[in-house]
Formats: sequence, structure tokens, C-alpha cells
Amino acid sequence: DGGITQSPKYLFRKEGQNVTLSCEQNLNHDAMYWYRQDPGQGLRLIYYSQIVNDFQKGDIAEGYSVSREKKESFPLTVTSAQKNPTAFYLCASSIRVGHTEAFFGQGTRLTVV
Amino acid sequence: GEDVEQSLFLSVREGDSSVINCTYTDSSSTYLYWYKQEPGAGLQLLTYIFSNMDMKQDQRLTVLLNKKDKHLSLRIADTQTGDSAIYFCAERGSGSSNTGKLIFGQGTTLQVKP
Repeated sequence: DGGITQSPKYLFRKEGQNVTLSCEQNLNHDAMYWYRQDPGQGLRLIYYSQIVNDFQKGDIAEGYSVSREKKESFPLTVTSAQKNPTAFYLCASSIRVGHTEAFFGQGTRLTVV
Repeated sequence: GEDVEQSLFLSVREGDSSVINCTYTDSSSTYLYWYKQEPGAGLQLLTYIFSNMDMKQDQRLTVLLNKKDKHLSLRIADTQTGDSAIYFCAERGSGSSNTGKLIFGQGTTLQVKP
């Protein structure tokens, strides 16, 4: 079945450590996105990628980094520079940037301990 | 700037209709979306409406768009306990056509009582 897979579902990180969240899609979509969700708030865009080897900052990119070496994969690294990293992270993809429908993964809940 | 607002909570009885409301500020919005999020899960696209439409119906779901008032609503007929979830309104403005960026509301938690 086609879809987006995020792993792990739950992740714990010590303060000062970098951690990488995985996002893989087998939908042959060009565009991929990372959103952050905090309780009682909508989703905020961290980074997006229109095509392989290209990515752009979203609204809250500080403290995060991404790569897009393969079409299927768009990993997100939460660095120690991110002051408040505890949140629910959602990855999404669409056929191309601006296409009507975006498909979301099941999310990764990151907790800093 | 772009902003989307929703009420945070709605409680209904099973079998009743639910109406979830959303207001937005970007008059150039091209598409408006409704997503459903069940606990601990990702977002599922329920439906979307193009800005030149007033209404869209899909089985138990009816979307109404009032462009003049920048108001969007989602009506769920014959609400079931399985409809309990958080519902997000989102919009994509014409200025975002080259990013695909969606602006989300805070989400409305729908509680369906048996």
C-alpha cells in the first residue's frame, strides 16, 4: 500500500542532543513537508522540499535541519539549538508543490527529558 | 498576515448534526480544507473546496463557504462516536502556490456523546 511512514512513533531526547526523525513515502510525490504541532495550536511549517536536492525554510526553521537526497526520503534533524523541541512532528507529501491534496504520516512525538 | 481561527471545542449527541466553524483572513485563498486528526495520529484530508464554490457535499459532510465574510463551515450529518476527533481548517492562499504551504487553524475538538 502506498503511503507515508514516519518513525519512530515516540522519541525521547536528552537536552543538548541532536535527533533525527525519519519520513519515507512511496507515493512518488515530488513535494514533502515537515510540520510541528503543539497542544491547542495548529500546524506550523518547519521546512519543505519541492524536489530532490532542494529544500526551503518554512515559518519556524530555526533549530532544525533537513536533507532531500532521495525522492522518497525527507529526514528532519532537531538540533540542540532548538530551544523547545518537545512536540508532535508531522511529515506530509503531495504530488507537487501547490497540489491540492497533501497526505500526512502518523507523526512522531518527541519528548526532551 | 494570514490567520485561521476556529473554536476549540464542540460537544454533540450521537445522531445530531455537528457544525464546525472557521474564519480566515486571506482574501486570496484559493483552496480551503478540512482535516481530521484522531488521537495520536496524523491528519486525514476529509474534503476541500475551491474558492469559487459556495458549497460542496460529500456523503455526510457538507462544506459551506462564505467568501464575503471569509467563513467556512463543516457540517457532519448523523454524527457518530467514530467522528470524535480534532478537526482542522486550513487554507492555501494564492501567494502560497509556489510553496504548497497550508495555514492551519488551532483545531476543534469534537466530542460525540452516546
